[in-house]
Parts: sequence; C-alpha cells; structure tokens
Amino acid sequence: SQQGEEDPQALSIQEGENATMNCSYKTSINNLQWYRQNSGRGLVHLILIRSNEREKHSGRLRVTLDTSKKSSSLLITASRAADTASYFCASRGSAGGTSYGKLTFGQGTILTVHP
Amino acid sequence: DGGITQSPKYLFRKEGQNVTLSCEQNLNHDAMYWYRQDPGQGLRLIYYSQIVNDFQKGDIAEGYSVSREKKESFPLTVTSAQKNPTAFYLCASSRETGNYGYTFGSGTRLTVV
Repeated sequence: SQQGEEDPQALSIQEGENATMNCSYKTSINNLQWYRQNSGRGLVHLILIRSNEREKHSGRLRVTLDTSKKSSSLLITASRAADTASYFCASRGSAGGTSYGKLTFGQGTILTVHP
Repeated sequence: DGGITQSPKYLFRKEGQNVTLSCEQNLNHDAMYWYRQDPGQGLRLIYYSQIVNDFQKGDIAEGYSVSREKKESFPLTVTSAQKNPTAFYLCASSRETGNYGYTFGSGTRLTVV
C-alpha cells in the first residue's frame, strides 16, 4: 500500500510563478525524499530531509517537514518550463516499523509550467 | 560514468511466458530495488536486496522472482503467474539503507501481447 498521499494531483502554472506540492504520510519516518520524473523516464533524486530537520534548501527548491502533522511540502521558486514533470515524495520508515529500510512513494503531482 | 542500466527499454511478452528484466549498476551500491509503476500511479515495491545472496519481498511480490548473485546485478523475472504484468518497471540502487537517496535506471516498459 502507498503510504504517501500527494496534493494536488496536478498543478498548472506560468513560468516565473512558484509551485507548491504537499505530501502526507502515515507512519514514523527516518527521512523523507522528493523525486522528479520526466515522462517515460526514471526518477531523479532532488532532496532528502531527515526526521529531525524542519526545512531544507537546494537551489530553487525548498522542502519543509512537519512530523507532528506527518506532512511535507516542496516549493519550487521562479519555475521554468523545464520544471514540467511529475514530482513524488517518498518516505523511509523508521527503525522498528514495518516500513523500516524501505522507501514508500506517494502518487505524485503532475506539474505543468507554461512558457 | 557511474550509473544504473536497465535493459531492454521495451519488452513484449506473450501470455504464459516468463521474461527477465536486467538491472546493472556500477556505483558500488549495496542495496538494490525493483519498483512497478502503472499509468498515473506512484511506485510500488516488488523486491529489494540489501546484500548479495539475500533479498526480501516488497508489497507486490506475487508473480515475480529475483536473484542477487553479484553486487552489481539484480535481475527481475516476471513469471506467467503475474496476471497483469503490463507496466513500467524501475530498478534503483542506494548506498545501504540509511539517509541516502536512490539512483534510478531509465526503466523497462513491459507489454503483454
């Protein structure tokens, strides 16, 4: 079963705007990761945030993690047409849980950035 | 360049046939994984291996089999017992099961004809 749920399922914006995607998970985690997938291709790792971190930045990406709400968000600032892709969150279960050592993916958000 | 290679890119299977998908990595990663992706869906874990000669079932292992005889290789066999095998299959590897991201291959698209 998929642990992560993502919102929205699809997002359409203009170039230069910011894009925010949200992810929720169900069990205790060791870390949460975000990936990008271009159509018909493999996934590319974007950023990882540990369970004891609240915010992390990488270039135009900003990720937040709220373990009390079991949720995370990915913000892409100043979006470009080349950012058009599907974005997935993935949670790694913490020790002692049934999901330990495994990465569980959400359903993904399809982002379309119009030039 | 280090990376993870999946082959073939496209594969067609007749009803009742077994087929094997190849996954090779030269990243010296300990752990390897197989995921299945259906249209518009997220990834579901089929099998994973944290060390040579050892592997565990994921969430949807029925109808699939794997082997891990070498650190670099983790082939997946889709057997005739898998009733709905048409999907996009993704192989990944990582540096042990810690705080590391996965490296994915480019995928194999399997179609039953």
